[in-house]
Amino acid sequence: QKEVEQNSGPLSVPEGAIASLNCTYSDRGSQSFFWYRQYSGKSPELIMSIYSNGDKEDGRFTAQLNKASQYVSLLIRDSQPSDSATYLCAVRPSGTYKYIFGTGTRLKVLA
Amino acid sequence: GAGVSQSPSNKVTEKGKDVELRCDPISGHTALYWYRQSLGQGLEFLIYFQGNSAPDKSGLPSDRFSAERTGGSVSTLTIQRTQQEDSAVYLCASSLLGLAVTDTQYFGPGTRLTVL
Repeated sequence: QKEVEQNSGPLSVPEGAIASLNCTYSDRGSQSFFWYRQYSGKSPELIMSIYSNGDKEDGRFTAQLNKASQYVSLLIRDSQPSDSATYLCAVRPSGTYKYIFGTGTRLKVLA
Repeated sequence: GAGVSQSPSNKVTEKGKDVELRCDPISGHTALYWYRQSLGQGLEFLIYFQGNSAPDKSGLPSDRFSAERTGGSVSTLTIQRTQQEDSAVYLCASSLLGLAVTDTQYFGPGTRLTVL
């Protein structure tokens, strides 16, 4: 059973702090990794994708991938109350079309 | 450009009625996915289309659920004889190719289905 695990939270951080969201996956052959943000009552919105080991930065967001340890993380710098949402990690194993989603981590940024 | 669109945005129906949910993918996207998300739950995969074909229907919960895609574009998810447990948000997503490493899925706004 291919799985993606996330801590459900809530993860509470003060405004301006760094929020760190983690995700582990079981399929060692996975090659595509995604972070989606989902506000309450809304659909998932793509934040970042990452395919190679290391860091990928986009504005206040940094995705980190470590295939040897089978984890992917998302760092949000200078967290804002508007970042409060559920963050979904998704993994796509190599050669498949199927996205395996975690159940999400709820982030609360306190003003 | 235009994103994935879904209609209706909300649907309230009575138990036992049939419903049709529509998805318009991003233009040129060959892969299309349907998911279901119950309140406070994660995403449940329902079906995947590549073009007009559905190589994976494994997530459809029962034979009351069916889906089709025509012209490699619009998809319709049909639920027959709806039950209260079918109440959920139905999400559609599309991606350009489906299998490329860099292929990325984009979601529509969803249809909230309530079965009374």
